[in-house]
Amino acid sequence: DGGITQSPKYLFRKEGQNVTLSCEQNLNHDAMYWYRQDPGQGLRLIYYSQIVNDFQKGDIAEGYSVSREKKESFPLTVTSAQKNPTAFYLCASTLMPGLMNTEAFFGQGTRLTVV
Amino acid sequence: AQSVTQLGSHVSVSEGALVLLRCNYSSSVPPYLFWYVQYPNQGLQLLLKYTSAATLVKGINGFEAEFKKSETSFHLTKPSAHMSDAAEYFCAVSDNSGYALNFGKGTSLLVTP
Repeated sequence: DGGITQSPKYLFRKEGQNVTLSCEQNLNHDAMYWYRQDPGQGLRLIYYSQIVNDFQKGDIAEGYSVSREKKESFPLTVTSAQKNPTAFYLCASTLMPGLMNTEAFFGQGTRLTVV
Repeated sequence: AQSVTQLGSHVSVSEGALVLLRCNYSSSVPPYLFWYVQYPNQGLQLLLKYTSAATLVKGINGFEAEFKKSETSFHLTKPSAHMSDAAEYFCAVSDNSGYALNFGKGTSLLVTP
């Protein structure tokens, strides 16, 4: 079945530690996105990538980094510079860059907790 | 900038009652609007989308939404609530660049027996 796979489902991070969240898709989609979800705040865009080896900052990119070396993969690293990383992280993809009228497919999310 | 406002962070309805979830948008251009549903600890699933083809949009699971330009609204409705409809609902609009979605803060729907 085609879809987006995020791993791990739950992740615990110690203070000052970098962690990487995995996102893999087999939908042959060009564009991929990372959103952060906090209770009562909706979803906020962290980074997005329209094509391999290219990505742009979203609204809350500080303290995060990404790479897009393969079309199928868009990992997100939460660095120690992110002061409040505890949140639910969602990866999404669309067939083509530009969400004007296309459906975004979402992964099941990774819940990151700082311990 | 394109944005949406969802009125009511929590809505409670009885099983079999009408569901009405409110969304108002702000856009400088004709918007592309979406409703997504999220079940606990899950990703988001598209319910329906408005792309200017028709003002009344039908989606999955019996939901529909009507685009009203005069009211800048895109409210989500379902004639008869089912227990399985209990979830978080998000309204979203394509942003200025067209490359990302701007989401509302979400409305949590509770369905009581």
